[in-house]
Amino acid sequence: ETGVTQTPRHLVMGMTNKKSLKCEQHLGHNAMYWYKQSAKKPLELMFVYSLEERVENNSVPSRFSPECPNSSHLFLHLHTLQPEDSALYLCASSQEGRGPDTQYFGPGTRLTVL
Amino acid sequence: AQSVTQLGSHVSVSEGALVLLRCNYSSSVPPYLFWYVQYPNQGLQLLLKYTSAATLVKGINGFEAEFKKSETSFHLTKPSAHMSDAAEYFCAVSAADSWGKLQFGAGTQVVVTP
Repeated sequence: ETGVTQTPRHLVMGMTNKKSLKCEQHLGHNAMYWYKQSAKKPLELMFVYSLEERVENNSVPSRFSPECPNSSHLFLHLHTLQPEDSALYLCASSQEGRGPDTQYFGPGTRLTVL
Repeated sequence: AQSVTQLGSHVSVSEGALVLLRCNYSSSVPPYLFWYVQYPNQGLQLLLKYTSAATLVKGINGFEAEFKKSETSFHLTKPSAHMSDAAEYFCAVSAADSWGKLQFGAGTQVVVTP
């Protein structure tokens, strides 16, 4: 596998379910990101991890819980979501330390909350 | 703080015609500027980026953009549209001293007609 991969690609869940989104980057980068892409709205940065430490949390509700066990993997744990959380969730990675570097995106997970 | 405005949420161009997508930014420090493209059911892919070197930046697939500080603009162009250019295009800005914090515009959907 190359680049940034995300699983699952599609997820349908009820409001009481618990699920996790997975992201893996094969680029040797040291920073990873979660974005939310909703229809008619700009991409929203949710979380940033640098060297496995969370450095950004943009007022995201606690029903979203990120985890970065190592520099190649990033998870987004979901629980008791709301229908308005339905969106495309994108993961990205970059190499910190060279100024704002190119972020490489995965294909996203299309989440539907019933 | 940085922000981006993309003029026009939808653009329709004829095959072979000029593609022009407008992006204006605001930034209190020298910006880094990016154009990304998103094809259906895919993540974002970098087209090109400006990082304070040459003001005319050439990217992939025949696209280019010109940084104009006096106009705070970074418009994207392609001389001749191809059917495969149908996609959504995002302009993004980051400050030179704040890696990872990309601010995206709302996006412009490009439709190419035969």
